[in-house]
Amino acid sequence: GAVVSQHPSRVICKSGTSVKIECRSLDFQATTMFWYRQFPKKSLMLMATSNEGSKATYEQGVEKDKFLINHASLTLSTLTVTSAHPEDSSFYICSARAWTSGKINEQFFGPGTRLTVL
Amino acid sequence: AQTVTQSQPEMSVQEAETVTLSCTYDTSESNYYLFWYKQPPSRQMILVIRQEAYKQQNATENRFSVNFQKAAKSFSLKISDSQLGDTAMYFCAFGETSGSRLTFGEGTQLTVNP
Repeated sequence: GAVVSQHPSRVICKSGTSVKIECRSLDFQATTMFWYRQFPKKSLMLMATSNEGSKATYEQGVEKDKFLINHASLTLSTLTVTSAHPEDSSFYICSARAWTSGKINEQFFGPGTRLTVL
Repeated sequence: AQTVTQSQPEMSVQEAETVTLSCTYDTSESNYYLFWYKQPPSRQMILVIRQEAYKQQNATENRFSVNFQKAAKSFSLKISDSQLGDTAMYFCAFGETSGSRLTFGEGTQLTVNP
């Protein structure tokens, strides 16, 4: 149990277009999901905290109008990269904090999404 | 703000031997959680071990154990009987609670040689 999926796993888009990445908790409910960004051979940097039914909290330096986050249900959060540019190319990872008996407050990671902007 | 530092960008070890990865952190919190995550080439983050700061006993999970020194703010990971499948990037991470946002160190690339 405790599986988090991300879709798509890889996406290539043209500069100026928008891309949506989905993060789903498959077998548990998650009131909170986190979005991280990872550059090649680098660490994970938290971009924002997504809470179900409320606005996301963004880390300092992250443009909220560029990285739109929606957490519409207890199992789904989406990250939309608007007007993507080559510098947005990166590996995006989500994690979900469980709110289900037996897993309360444990955090589980998705497999990541590789975004390439041409 | 919390910071996490891993001073060893790369390490290597022979199969079946023991290796220790270092991590130091800085915080003003009195209770918190520390984690070691493994990221293999697939890039899936895998929790290796977790330590709650108020617990004095060092956490162990099979071949993995930690040396938690709260006063020194040090949290090292020992891998015993290293296996080829242990080859991965290892990240030390800090969280205020078990399920809170995480602050990661820079990572240590571990290579286990046959």
